[in-house]
Amino acid sequence: GIQVEQSPPDLILQEGANSTLRCNFSDSVNNLQWFHQNPWGQLINLFYIPSGTKQNGRLSATTVATERYSLLYISSSQTTDSGVYFCAVSSGNTPLVFGKGTRLSVIA
Amino acid sequence: EAGVAQSPRYKIIEKRQSVAFWCNPISGHATLYWYQQILGQGPKLLIQFQNNGVVDDSQLPKDRFSAERLKGVDSTLKIQPAKLEDSAVYLCSSKGTSAEQFFGPGTRLTVL
Repeated sequence: GIQVEQSPPDLILQEGANSTLRCNFSDSVNNLQWFHQNPWGQLINLFYIPSGTKQNGRLSATTVATERYSLLYISSSQTTDSGVYFCAVSSGNTPLVFGKGTRLSVIA
Repeated sequence: EAGVAQSPRYKIIEKRQSVAFWCNPISGHATLYWYQQILGQGPKLLIQFQNNGVVDDSQLPKDRFSAERLKGVDSTLKIQPAKLEDSAVYLCSSKGTSAEQFFGPGTRLTVL
């Protein structure tokens, strides 16, 4: 099956700093999603981005499908950005396969 | 548009007891998934339904876990009997005609 690798596994930032999270996947996909998991365990949809670039406020994402990676950019980080960020991919009608996540801590 | 609903949000039981979780997907979504998320890991698929039929249950521990989606809408996941290692967050997800999946708030299960 598809393998998903996320890096870095852990990231500590000072408030206001920028960061880039990376997701590599092992096969072609027709779905790639980025999620933020809040402290209560809920997965919040950030981006549905099988290819191209999208922006939403301080967050943006780019997926280069031909090279099998995606990047999530967080600018001017805030303490509320803390949590775990997951990348998940699927192909055809298969379910999402998740990476192990990047745990982000933003310090005031 | 209402999101995916799950209940209960939290459950604490003792080992060997039974427990059931309920999920109501987004209206009109034909595909429904149950995932298990162990602390510190990413979610892993337990079972996938398309309407009221099972598409993939290869990762479901069938000796203790069961799931149904009788009318192609709501779904129930049951564990009987529970083991300590079943402590996890159980996430329900649904998908419509696009490839994007949407997740409910999850049920956090603690088995003592």
